[in-house]
Parts: sequence; structure tokens; C-alpha cells
Amino acid sequence: EVQLVESGGGLVQPGGSLRLSCAASGFTFNSYAMSWVRQAPGKGLEWVSAVSGSGVSTYYADSVKGRFTISRDNSKNTLHLQMNSLRAEDTALYYCAKDKGYCSGVSCLIAHYWGQGTLVTVSS
Amino acid sequence: DIQMTQSPSSLSASVGDRVTIPCRASQSITIYLNWYQQKPGKAPKLLIYAASNLQSGVPSRFSGSGSGTDFTLTISSLQPEDFATYYCQQSYSAPWTFGQGTKVEIK
Repeated sequence: EVQLVESGGGLVQPGGSLRLSCAASGFTFNSYAMSWVRQAPGKGLEWVSAVSGSGVSTYYADSVKGRFTISRDNSKNTLHLQMNSLRAEDTALYYCAKDKGYCSGVSCLIAHYWGQGTLVTVSS
Repeated sequence: DIQMTQSPSSLSASVGDRVTIPCRASQSITIYLNWYQQKPGKAPKLLIYAASNLQSGVPSRFSGSGSGTDFTLTISSLQPEDFATYYCQQSYSAPWTFGQGTKVEIK
């Protein structure tokens, strides 16, 4: 059974940093691209970042480019999101998602399995 | 970036109704369109991928159609557990954008 468990969320001041983690199990972790998707309170879904199975290729939404860094540790089946220079508009529930693997690499990202999310609140 | 538009943002329907939810892309995305269902307080769930492929375990009353820029999610006979918000998402190119969502409410 695929399981994705996010952690690392919390309250942080504007300009601060936070590192999210997603522990994965139940599948061959290094064979699948992974993503972070966020949802601001009462709002829709926003794709944030993705990383290929090898970790070599990374992608970011314009809204977080230059501030967030996605990475993965395939030896520990863990996905990370380092978030720097946080802003109030980054306040959201952050979901970790596993790609379906319908296409090779990250050529067509489909969020097949989702974790339950970790809440990030940016406020003074 | 490819913009995904879902309109209306909400609709009201009754149990047993046939419901169609449209989604439009700002440019052709061929068949790379996915549909997700989200219930309050829960993570989204993949329903349909690549426009018309039913995800395993999803009831057959859900179906997807379309190609290019115009897509539709259809629920053939709405059930009580189907009241939720539905999102489309393009997986044609990064950034892999979502529509704003359509909330299906009880009439």
C-alpha cells in the first residue's frame, strides 16, 4: 500500500525558512517523479514543484522559483521541500504527491497518490 | 504557462442527475488532462487521467472526454458521495496547472 506522510509544517514569520519532508513507502521510490502541491485556506490547488525519480531534474512554479528547493533522498525514500524567504501568500496546506508513471520521467505529471498534507502558516 | 479554466465554479444537482463539468485549456494540451475529486478536509483523489482513462477503483459512472482545449468530466448518475469539488489539471507541460475547481452541491 502506497503511503505518503508529510511533516515539517508550522508557524513561521515572514522572511523565515521551513523544510518540509515526505516519507514514502509501498512503492519503488526512485522510479517515480514526485511533486509538492499546495492549497491555501479555502482556495484551489496549486502545483508548486516536482522532481524526477533520479533527482536530477527539478521544476518550480513561478511563484516559488528562487525561494523553494525540492530534493529527494532515494536511500531514505524521502522527499523534501526547502522553503526560504517565506511570504504570507505561501500559507497553505502542502501535499506531497506521487506521479502515476504514465509517461517517462516527468513528461506528463499525474498526481496518483497524495499524502494528507502539512500546514504552513506564515505570519508575524 | 497554460491556463486552465473551469466554469461554473459551482453547480447544484440532485441525486440521480447526469452532471457534466467542463474544463478549457488556453492552448492545445492534446489528451494530457486529468480530473481530481476533493472532499472537505481530505486530500484530492485521482479520477480520470489522460482525458478519458478511468483510474482503477473509481466507479464507472465517472467518465472523461475531450482533446485539444476542451474537456468534460461526466457523472452519469450523481450519488450522495459525489458531492465534492472537482479539479482539472493539465499534464502537457510544466508548470502543471490546475483549474479553479467546480463544486458540486446538493440541490
